[in-house]
Amino acid sequence: DAGVTQSPTHLIKTRGQHVTLRCSPISGHKSVSWYQQVLGQGPQFIFQYYEKEERGRGNFPDRFSARQFPNYSSELNVNALLLGDSALYLCASSRIDRDEAFFGQGTRLTVV
Amino acid sequence: GDSVTQMEGPVTLSEEAFLTINCTYTATGYPSLFWYVQYPGEGLQLLLKATKADDKGSNKGFEATYRKETTSFHLEKGSVQVSDSAVYFCALSNDYKLSFGAGTTVTVRA
Repeated sequence: DAGVTQSPTHLIKTRGQHVTLRCSPISGHKSVSWYQQVLGQGPQFIFQYYEKEERGRGNFPDRFSARQFPNYSSELNVNALLLGDSALYLCASSRIDRDEAFFGQGTRLTVV
Repeated sequence: GDSVTQMEGPVTLSEEAFLTINCTYTATGYPSLFWYVQYPGEGLQLLLKATKADDKGSNKGFEATYRKETTSFHLEKGSVQVSDSAVYFCALSNDYKLSFGAGTTVTVRA
């Protein structure tokens, strides 16, 4: 079975631009979460979606948004990019919203 | 709010040495506890977990016991290998999200 897949793997954007990151969960998993991992730190929770509804949101500005589609895949959108948004963005899926999470390889976003 | 504090690194060991990484947590309720490992250039992999007090999680020679009285979940391995070189993250799950520690970089020398 395929694991959690994220695309793209690497991305370079300019300050002020917009970015969309994509995630496909493990087959049968209905919950998707997004995390931001700045270099040298632990991942920070951004969003969780379960059955296409937002179940939780971390302490991130409104420039960050996400959604989950009927096939349970998800997108993370970031508007008006700042240099500080440069990070590894991790997607995790789980069968239900409180089950153990399986992580994708991440998308490395660099804002210049 | 929930938080995880883990031993600062980096930690450098010789092959076959004993490894311990301390982890303590603050949380409301009854969280589940996890250790994740991150190899260079990769995402996070679940190493082991424990869901209630006194549970012991184990995998690939690593062990950790959920100690509610000391709010700790220390990771141990009796004999490390070069392939264990990675960043290790302690985490707790409460409600819908994971809260991670800052990570401990472990390097094992041959």
